[in-house]
Amino acid sequence: EAQVTQNPRYLITVTGKKLTVTCSQNMNHEYMSWYRQDPGLGLRQIYYSMNVEVTDKGDVPEGYKVSRKEKRNFPLILESPSPNQTSLYFCASSPTAGSGNQPQHFGDGTRLSIL
Amino acid sequence: GQQVMQIPQYQHVQEGEDFTTYCNSSTTLSNIQWYKQRPGGHPVFLIQLVKSGEVKKQKRLTFQFGEAKKNSSLHITATQTTDVGTYFCAGPPGVSWGKLQFGSGTQVVVTP
Repeated sequence: EAQVTQNPRYLITVTGKKLTVTCSQNMNHEYMSWYRQDPGLGLRQIYYSMNVEVTDKGDVPEGYKVSRKEKRNFPLILESPSPNQTSLYFCASSPTAGSGNQPQHFGDGTRLSIL
Repeated sequence: GQQVMQIPQYQHVQEGEDFTTYCNSSTTLSNIQWYKQRPGGHPVFLIQLVKSGEVKKQKRLTFQFGEAKKNSSLHITATQTTDVGTYFCAGPPGVSWGKLQFGSGTQVVVTP
């Protein structure tokens, strides 16, 4: 089954403790992206990747890192999490992002609580 | 930078009624996408509009892209309880094909 898999689905942690949210897709998609969703703000793009070893900032990249060493994986890293990063996070992928954006397939989301 | 605004933020609809949600961009969009997110779920792609003035229908849903490609609308006729959820529009700012900006969404509640 074609899907985008995020782990963990839920995480409660403390300020300053490094964490990684994994994202994996099995559709051989070139493009992957991370979003955070907060009430009243919709989805805001954190980082995106057009292909392996190619990443770029979205609208809210501060406090986050990403890497794209393999096509299928796009982990989101919070080196020193803070309470304002408490949010619902979504990973998404699409076949390519060239010639205009293409429909994105979303994972089920990761709810992070930073105390 | 570009901003994608959506109105209304919240829509309470009686079952069987029609409603429309609007999406407005401060800049011209090359295309616009619409997504639906059910409560507790993830966004699911509905449709993409590319041409100026384009109109597309999916059963009771009608999507429209403005002539100036700066606004879009989603009209739902004869609302059903299955239409409950939040509807988002999204568009790429400028010529940056990798970036995608979402509107704040319209949360739809349907009363039987």
